[in-house]
Amino acid sequence: DAKTTQPPSMDCAEGRAANLPCNHSTISGNEYVYWYRQIHSQGPQYIIHGLKNNETNEMASLIITEDRKSSTLILPHATLRDTAVYYCIVSPGISSGSARQLTFGSGTQLTVLP
Amino acid sequence: DSGVTQTPKHLITATGQRVTLRCSPRSGDLSVYWYQQSLDQGLQFLIQYYNGEERAKGNILERFSAQQFPDLHSELNLSSLELGDSALYFCASSPRVAGAPGDTQYFGPGTRLTVL
Repeated sequence: DAKTTQPPSMDCAEGRAANLPCNHSTISGNEYVYWYRQIHSQGPQYIIHGLKNNETNEMASLIITEDRKSSTLILPHATLRDTAVYYCIVSPGISSGSARQLTFGSGTQLTVLP
Repeated sequence: DSGVTQTPKHLITATGQRVTLRCSPRSGDLSVYWYQQSLDQGLQFLIQYYNGEERAKGNILERFSAQQFPDLHSELNLSSLELGDSALYFCASSPRVAGAPGDTQYFGPGTRLTVL
């Protein structure tokens, strides 16, 4: 699986957009970018995933560069409850019959400030 | 609420003992994954079951074992416990084996194991 690089920590003012970057320069053609977050020792929570097109759901937007070597997770209006560790994970999207466990890195600690 | 349940929420035991952690996946999900999160190792994949069969093993110690029952719930058995086994243990479930687009994993709230 491709390795990801994320900044260890970021701050964001409440109500502003939080933009979390992720570098995955060794990503291969069939690998998806997934984002999960973990709020203080709770179970990780799925946020969004994408292959090459930008994606948006009720939680966030995912912007993937054209060369797919990096991506940005955008929380449009961050709240205090968005304070968490955010994990960017690259994983094959097409099952070959083998299991694809998630490989978590260190993630980015996002702190939303009042 | 992810729909994945784990029991117990907290477990305190002594070194050398054996414990069993239980996980009930979301309704209809066939795959169950177990992860361990300790302070120094982060989130690590342990083992995966799909519809009752083991599908993948990660960094799981020989003292640890798991199984998935016909009703799809899963148990993680930890034996000869050591201080270093103290960690959060998460279970996740997904509908299929893995990897299909949109086949995300949904995590339970975890079991906090403390070995004294």
